[in-house]
Amino acid sequence: DAKTTQPTSMDCAEGRAANLPCNHSTISGNEYVYWYRQIHSQGPQYIIHGLKNNETNEMASLIITEDRKSSTLILPHATLRDTAVYYCIVRVRGSNTGKLIFGQGTTLQVKP
Amino acid sequence: DTAVSQTPKYLVTQMGNDKSIKCEQNLGHDTMYWYKQDSKKFLKIMFSYNNKELIINETVPNRFSPKSPDKAHLNLHINSLELGDSAVYFCASSPDGTYNEQFFGPGTRLTVL
Repeated sequence: DAKTTQPTSMDCAEGRAANLPCNHSTISGNEYVYWYRQIHSQGPQYIIHGLKNNETNEMASLIITEDRKSSTLILPHATLRDTAVYYCIVRVRGSNTGKLIFGQGTTLQVKP
Repeated sequence: DTAVSQTPKYLVTQMGNDKSIKCEQNLGHDTMYWYKQDSKKFLKIMFSYNNKELIINETVPNRFSPKSPDKAHLNLHINSLELGDSAVYFCASSPDGTYNEQFFGPGTRLTVL
């Protein structure tokens, strides 16, 4: 599985967009980009995933560069409840193991 | 309505004891997982079961024995508990083993004294 690099921490003002970057320069053609988050003292929560097209759901948007070597998770209007550790994971879909490998993630602090 | 539930939420015990953590999912998923999150917050997979069959065992000491009585339940039994077993243990499930969209339980904080 391709490795990912994320900033250790980021701040964002409440109500503003939070843009969380992830580098995955060794990603291969059949690997997807997944984002999870873990709010303090809770289990990780799936947010979104994508292969090469940009994706949007009710929680966030995922922008993947054309060369697929990096991506950005966008929380359009961050709230205090979005304060969490955000994990970017690159994984082959359909690999029949479902083994997620979590790195250290980015700690996002949303401030009032 | 809880999708993935775990009991107990907190578990405090002495070294050398044997304990179990239970996990249940009501999502109709075929695959269930156990993860361990240590004090440094790294989250690592331990086991995965697909329809009651073990498919992942990530070099976990054999003091840890998962048991899946049916596909909705995956319990974790730990023998001869050690200080280093103190961690938060998360159960998760997914529709099948090919899915990376996993649903996690709230975690069980195990403290070994």
